[in-house]
Amino acid sequence: DTAVSQTPKYLVTQMGNDKSIKCEQNLGHDTMYWYKQDSKKFLKIMFSYNNKELIINETVPNRFSPKSPDKAHLNLHINSLELGDSAVYFCASSQTTGREKLFFGSGTQLSVL
Amino acid sequence: AQSVAQPEDQVNVAEGNPLTVKCTYSVSGNPYLFWYVQYPNRGLQFLLKYITGDNLVKGSYGFEAEFNKSQTSFHLKKPSALVSDSALYFCNYKYIFGTGTRLKVLA
Repeated sequence: DTAVSQTPKYLVTQMGNDKSIKCEQNLGHDTMYWYKQDSKKFLKIMFSYNNKELIINETVPNRFSPKSPDKAHLNLHINSLELGDSAVYFCASSQTTGREKLFFGSGTQLSVL
Repeated sequence: AQSVAQPEDQVNVAEGNPLTVKCTYSVSGNPYLFWYVQYPNRGLQFLLKYITGDNLVKGSYGFEAEFNKSQTSFHLKKPSALVSDSALYFCNYKYIFGTGTRLKVLA
């Protein structure tokens, strides 16, 4: 069983479209995250939820909206996709914020054409 | 602002030689520090963490890290590098990651 699973693995779409990436963790963790990894491999936090509550909301265009229906799921919806949104998006989870290790999904490679 | 820094984009080392990947930190409060490794087309995997206690922390795959409070550093080390250690390494504090260091172990 995969601990943190995200779908789809690859997403190729046109500029202006709306798309979603889904993430689920079966570890019973309280905290989940979305990270963006750019072409230089820099990892930037986008959002974090703790028990369905938004606790980190970095400077991200409001075209990006996270949704956490329950503490095991954190989805990312992106409106009006732009070329600069092309990146790898990683979901992660941890038992608490800061003291415990992060478990990462395998990533979603988003390509906006 | 809190941060972790990895001053080297890439580190090259010959197989069998010791390796060091550097990390310095600037944080308030307790410095809970982590190292992760990323292989191509994969998510990050946990290597080791420092919470408190011994300054030398042992982790997965023979890696260890030395916490130095006076130098605000948390360098990753391994006594004898393997070609299979070639990957991208990230230092981490809370939700903040360093810029990553590509380790290349040459046969």
